Amino acid sequence: EPEVTQTPSHQVTQMGQEVILRCVPISNHLYFYWYRQILGQKVEFLVSFYNNEISEKSEIFDDQFSVERPDGSNFTLKIRSTKLEDSAMYFCASSEGPGNTEAFFGQGTRLTVV
Amino acid sequence: GNSVTQMEGPVTLSEEAFLTINCTYTATGYPSLFWYVQYPGEGLQLLLKATKADDKGSNKGFEATYRKETTSFHLEKGSVQVSDSAVYFCALSDRASGTYKYIFGTGTRLKVLA
Repeated sequence: EPEVTQTPSHQVTQMGQEVILRCVPISNHLYFYWYRQILGQKVEFLVSFYNNEISEKSEIFDDQFSVERPDGSNFTLKIRSTKLEDSAMYFCASSEGPGNTEAFFGQGTRLTVV
Repeated sequence: GNSVTQMEGPVTLSEEAFLTINCTYTATGYPSLFWYVQYPGEGLQLLLKATKADDKGSNKGFEATYRKETTSFHLEKGSVQVSDSAVYFCALSDRASGTYKYIFGTGTRLKVLA
């Protein structure tokens, strides 16, 4: 069964460092998303990406964040200068279409900023 | 704006008890509704979905009916098992409002005791 793959599963980084979280969406999907979940809290939308550009972003997704689809398979989230409050589980998701189609989520990357 | 409200947890039940987790939503259009489940240490998995009013989604003994008149999508299961212990998230996606993102509720933790 096709699945969304995220790497690494856990990343520890020092405050102020740059991190790149990687995702391989399902191959025939066209819509890509990043969400995050601070420990014990709700799943929050960060950004959606379609046709090689951001289609929507939340207020959390400030200038410290960027996304890229560097080739035909990877979808990355970069945090330029990490803060303690960026510590969270980051989920990548993809879907065939927008809105009413199912989003498939990866297993998540747990980011710990120390 | 669009939102999802779930009942507060945790919910603790004995094995074979009946489960209801309430979910209500606010949406400007006609959203699709989803239940996702997160088992300990894992990512989000789609449990069931419904894309229009009066649709019933079902999977693994869980059911939820899209009720437009009460803007609800309550999750039910007739007889829970210990293996159902997880966090359950209600979510919506409303393409008609011009957004592709999924909006999640806060999650309800279910603990089933043997």
